[in-house]
Amino acid sequence: KNEVEQSPQNLTAQEEEFITINCSYSVGISALHWLQQHPGGGIVSLFMLSSGKKKHGRLIATINIQEKHSSLHITASHPRDSAVYICAVSSGNQFYFGTGTSLTVIP
Amino acid sequence: NAGVTQTPKFQVLKTGQSMTLQCAQDMNHNSMYWYRQDPGMGLRLIYYSASEGTTDKGEVPNGYNVSRLNKREFSLRLESAAPSQTSVYFCASTGMVYQETQYFGPGTRLLVL
Repeated sequence: KNEVEQSPQNLTAQEEEFITINCSYSVGISALHWLQQHPGGGIVSLFMLSSGKKKHGRLIATINIQEKHSSLHITASHPRDSAVYICAVSSGNQFYFGTGTSLTVIP
Repeated sequence: NAGVTQTPKFQVLKTGQSMTLQCAQDMNHNSMYWYRQDPGMGLRLIYYSASEGTTDKGEVPNGYNVSRLNKREFSLRLESAAPSQTSVYFCASTGMVYQETQYFGPGTRLLVL
């Protein structure tokens, strides 16, 4: 059972490239979350959204509730953006996580 | 504010040994969670505590017990460790259960031999 699917699993980009990471889910949700996990292991929450679009600096997250799909965009990517990006959804009394997208940005 | 803290950072156990992972948060959050992260599996919820005095099972509770000691602290106990419990364990907290941004601790790497 995979309530949350992410694509791609791995992504390598050149610095300054526009990056998109996709997330699809199969359950009803109250919110969708994008998390960032750096090589050291720490996990930071980037966005929580239940509709529309949110922007923070060079990061943009969108969600389409009808299509059960969300995207995380990174504009003007930088090597410091290299990390694992994890999509998660809260559904009822559960929290489901995707397996993550490993992003490497090359200078 | 320290946010969410976890101890220890790393632990090696022999099969059958017991240990307790400690977690504390200083954000006055009501809800706390324990996850494990395994390669290729994503984060999986072990137990959560919606509020002080309550605990509930998550997706993978077998082999674990938890205690919500007070509003700040939520501990995870392995009574008889097994190699299958080798993992990285994360504690997290939110203001309200599943309704808000989660704040994660730095993780505990556990190796069971």
